[in-house]
Amino acid sequence: AQTVTQSQPEMSVQEAETVTLSCTYDTSESDYYLFWYKQPPSRQMILVIRQEAYKQQNATENRFSVNFQKAAKSFSLKISDSQLGDAAMYFCAYRSDNFNKFYFGSGTKLNVKP
Amino acid sequence: DVKVTQSSRYLVKRTGEKVFLECVQDMDHENMFWYRQDPGLGLRLIYFSYDVKMKEKGDIPEGYSVSREKKERFSLILESASTNQTSMYLCASSPPGGRPNGYTFGSGTRLTVV
Repeated sequence: AQTVTQSQPEMSVQEAETVTLSCTYDTSESDYYLFWYKQPPSRQMILVIRQEAYKQQNATENRFSVNFQKAAKSFSLKISDSQLGDAAMYFCAYRSDNFNKFYFGSGTKLNVKP
Repeated sequence: DVKVTQSSRYLVKRTGEKVFLECVQDMDHENMFWYRQDPGLGLRLIYFSYDVKMKEKGDIPEGYSVSREKKERFSLILESASTNQTSMYLCASSPPGGRPNGYTFGSGTRLTVV
């Protein structure tokens, strides 16, 4: 089975600054998808950003961007201009190309300081 | 918007009780999933279903069973609840695989077994 590792259990960032959350994964597949999900205190998981492994260009969604390094099996999330509403648990997830089962990392709790 | 609704937000049950966690989605999704979320462990897949009356074991199925009699409803059953099943349970749904779709999650049920 694929494994997803988030090595930072908790991080803090000052409001308006930039923070990067790390994620690595292990797979023998060549085609797959990677995701970052956000889980605020409300517990509703929200899709933040998605990356297709066959795309070399890093995905970007407004203040959120990824650094996808396929050879290194690394998929970090950068949050720019951090806002108080970004405070949440962030989960990295992996999905095979032809199989809809997801594998999740253990999560990183992000604190945003005013 | 796709909605995944979990019937209970909080649940307290006694050891040995049979517990039903219900999940309903309104987007005609084929795939439905049950995860449990524990601190430091992330989300772990219990069971999933690709179609009505179809089920497959995930990574931690022991002590659980599922039922999918209708496409929109996926129930998780704890045959005889134990204290080590105290956890957050998340239901998710998605369209068929082969497309880079993320999950849509419910808001979770926090189950306490005493």
